[in-house]
Amino acid sequence: GEDVEQSLFLSVREGDSSVINCTYTDSSSTYLYWYKQEPGAGLQLLTYIFSNMDMKQDQRLTVLLNKKDKHLSLRIADTQTGDSAIYFCAESIDYGGSQGNLIFGKGTKLSVKP
Amino acid sequence: NAGVTQTPKFQVLKTGQSMTLQCAQDMNHEYMSWYRQDPGMGLRLIHYSVGAGITDQGEVPNGYNVSRSTTEDFPLRLLSAAPSQTSVYFCASSSSGTDTQYFGPGTRLTVL
Repeated sequence: GEDVEQSLFLSVREGDSSVINCTYTDSSSTYLYWYKQEPGAGLQLLTYIFSNMDMKQDQRLTVLLNKKDKHLSLRIADTQTGDSAIYFCAESIDYGGSQGNLIFGKGTKLSVKP
Repeated sequence: NAGVTQTPKFQVLKTGQSMTLQCAQDMNHEYMSWYRQDPGMGLRLIHYSVGAGITDQGEVPNGYNVSRSTTEDFPLRLLSAAPSQTSVYFCASSSSGTDTQYFGPGTRLTVL
């Protein structure tokens, strides 16, 4: 079945770049997403990339998509302590004929040290 | 717009009790869904709806019922709560034709 894998933890120093990696299995996914979850809060959509794109940049965030290897990454430039959170990778899947459903990875906990 | 709202934020139930988790959105989204989030498991789809009057099962539907009588509301009912249903529940919505889902703040449910 469909699966999304990501490493569970990442620790960086403030000001460094963070790179969070994700692999997925469904090659027919239309969109791939990055969500951020702060402690005790809901999921915040950070960014998404359409499957026919290789890269998307949005201020400090850069998403790279390697469709051949089914590999997605999120780079956060100049990481700040406020970026400490859990980051979820998700792929859209065709579930019951609807592309609106998402399969999530287990989340990567990013810790930013001052 | 309020976006996606969920009530209650916290709930404690005893085994065997029933309750309804409320979800509403004011973005006129056709698509709504319920996920549960468990430690180490990520988010898993419970039920979803592609429009008023239409619902379908997701990955983990057992023990839950849904209905969609209006576009705005998508309540999740626990028929007879079990400790295995202790989790954080998220409702999400998206407009028809796109896959960008927006999530509510979540309901933290504990079943004793």
